[in-house]
Amino acid sequence: AQSVTQLDSHVSVSEGTPVLLRCNYSSSYSPSLFWYVQHPNKGLQLLLKYTSAATLVKGINGFEAEFKKSETSFHLTKPSAHMSDAAEYFCVVSNTDTGRRALTFGSGTRLQVQP
Amino acid sequence: DGGITQSPKYLFRKEGQNVTLSCEQNLNHDAMYWYRQDPGQGLRLIYYSQIVNDFQKGDIAEGYSVSREKKESFPLTVTSAQKNPTAFYLCASSTFRGVGGPTDTQYFGPGTRLTVL
Repeated sequence: AQSVTQLDSHVSVSEGTPVLLRCNYSSSYSPSLFWYVQHPNKGLQLLLKYTSAATLVKGINGFEAEFKKSETSFHLTKPSAHMSDAAEYFCVVSNTDTGRRALTFGSGTRLQVQP
Repeated sequence: DGGITQSPKYLFRKEGQNVTLSCEQNLNHDAMYWYRQDPGQGLRLIYYSQIVNDFQKGDIAEGYSVSREKKESFPLTVTSAQKNPTAFYLCASSTFRGVGGPTDTQYFGPGTRLTVL
């Protein structure tokens, strides 16, 4: 079975300061990991994806995430927050061992960016 | 302009009624998915389909039904048997490279917010 834990339900940062959104996963097999962002009443947009290539994954809008197998973590970071980054962020895991191909979502982290 | 469209954006249902949510994609994706999102929670899988004329139950399929008659379309019906249907519904699609292959990125539509009156 696979699962995802997002360690913070809310994170608040000031504009221009670094962002860290934490995610731990549990997976029986080599997982694929994703970060998605959701703005209010919108669908989800893919930020980045890890699929067993480079452990440091660069995404859109200056975000990146590092896959650490020993820590079973996939934390999302950005060097400098922008007001437009305020949204809900979801860490997601998918295993390749089943035909289902569905995603297991974390419960989300709401990022607030203060001016 | 490729993408996934969902309609309507907002939907109101009286208790005891069935309603159908539309999902269309022009990305030529084989697989399509329906998720439900409740406030403060992640998404939960309702149904998925990896090929036309075939679909599988997800984690919370009770009270829902789907069809996949065309590759582009995957409508979801919320039946009167669904006890608590008020939620935000998201449709997604992806390519599908088979069991054991890499996980394909899922692309999401803008969602439909269903409210039961």
